[in-house]
Amino acid sequence: DAGVIQSPRHEVTEMGQEVTLRCKPISGHNSLFWYRQTMMRGLELLIYFNNNVPIDDSGMPEDRFSAKMPNASFSTLKIQPSEPRDSAVYFCASSLGYGMGGYTFGSGTRLTVV
Amino acid sequence: DQQVKQNSPSLSVQEGRISILNCDYTNSMFDYFLWYKKYPAEGPTFLISISSIKDKNEDGRFTVFLNKSAKHLSLHIVPSQPGDSAVYFCAASAPGDYKLSFGAGTTVTVRA
Repeated sequence: DAGVIQSPRHEVTEMGQEVTLRCKPISGHNSLFWYRQTMMRGLELLIYFNNNVPIDDSGMPEDRFSAKMPNASFSTLKIQPSEPRDSAVYFCASSLGYGMGGYTFGSGTRLTVV
Repeated sequence: DQQVKQNSPSLSVQEGRISILNCDYTNSMFDYFLWYKKYPAEGPTFLISISSIKDKNEDGRFTVFLNKSAKHLSLHIVPSQPGDSAVYFCAASAPGDYKLSFGAGTTVTVRA
């Protein structure tokens, strides 16, 4: 298994532009999570899906952020419009569910908004 | 509001000695705890976990201790090796909850 695959690995964009981050979870995993890592707050949960359904999006910082999971093998996190304070590393993770040894993370997307 | 706290942002230890990483939590509903290790430019990887029915779990050089009354857990690495230099995240979840709450991480540097 190739693990959780995220793209792109790096993204540099200008303020105001739309940014789309992509994630392919591990086949068979029924939960998918989007996290953001910053120096100040560590790993923050943005949103998670169970069986493709959004369960908790309370961590999404603003309406500028949206996430979709159209099928079991693909998810996107969109920021529109992007702002410099959105600069961070965004991680996608998937899991089989509660207590199953935790998540498998992707390698992350480093987003820089200038 | 951070429910999982790692109050030491960094730790430096000599090779061969013990590394002790600490983690505190505030949510008394948490019953499953994990440690993740992260190298630069990679995603965090699962290291070791413990259920609240236990107070200790050991896996090779890594041991996690849980003190439920103090809402505290720690990770011991013995002996520390240069390859252990990484960021370590503590995480916790509540019963039936798929999501994990993470601490801010502790950067461990093992000196040769």
